[in-house]
Amino acid sequence: ELKVEQNPLFLSMQEGKNYTIYCNYSTTSDRLYWYRQDPGKSLESLFVLLSNGAVKQEGRLMASLDTKARLSTLHITAAVHDLSATYFCAVVVSGSARQLTFGSGTQLTVLP
Amino acid sequence: NAGVTQTPKFQVLKTGQSMTLQCAQDMNHEYMSWYRQDPGMGLRLIHYSVGAGITDQGEVPNGYNVSRSTTEDFPLRLLSAAPSQTSVYFCASSYGGGKDEQFFGPGTRLTVL
Repeated sequence: ELKVEQNPLFLSMQEGKNYTIYCNYSTTSDRLYWYRQDPGKSLESLFVLLSNGAVKQEGRLMASLDTKARLSTLHITAAVHDLSATYFCAVVVSGSARQLTFGSGTQLTVLP
Repeated sequence: NAGVTQTPKFQVLKTGQSMTLQCAQDMNHEYMSWYRQDPGMGLRLIHYSVGAGITDQGEVPNGYNVSRSTTEDFPLRLLSAAPSQTSVYFCASSYGGGKDEQFFGPGTRLTVL
């Protein structure tokens, strides 16, 4: 059974600071997703990571994937208040039909 | 393109009632799925479909039925609602083949009393 663990679950950070959210998963995967969710809203796709060593960046967010370590990171650079949201990683098991297994989410609050 | 649409947005049921949550997509996606989200948790897969006429169970299928008679629609039926089914339900869709992004609908917030 695939398990996906995110940490931390809660993160408060000051504006302008850097931080990293970690996503560990327990079995072989051929793709990993990062999503953002604002309160009461749906999920917004941030990144799709398809191969070992993949790195993608959008604005102040950068995601990377290490399939050998079964680890993905979401790095936040110089945080701003608008980044406050819950961030989820989700993993697709190799050979499956795109069923996503989600982590529990990291609730990020960026303080002024 | 409307993307992935869900109706209703909110619903309150009494224990034992049945209802259908609607999901539709206009992107000609092969793959559609239903997830539920409970407080403090990530989404959990209920049922999914890889094409019209083909459905399969996810992690938490008990108490739910699905069918996929067309590419566009993937309704989720609650047979006899229970308080444990109080949740937010999301429908998602994606292309088949090598395209990977999954698009989520706006969600249906269901309360079972």
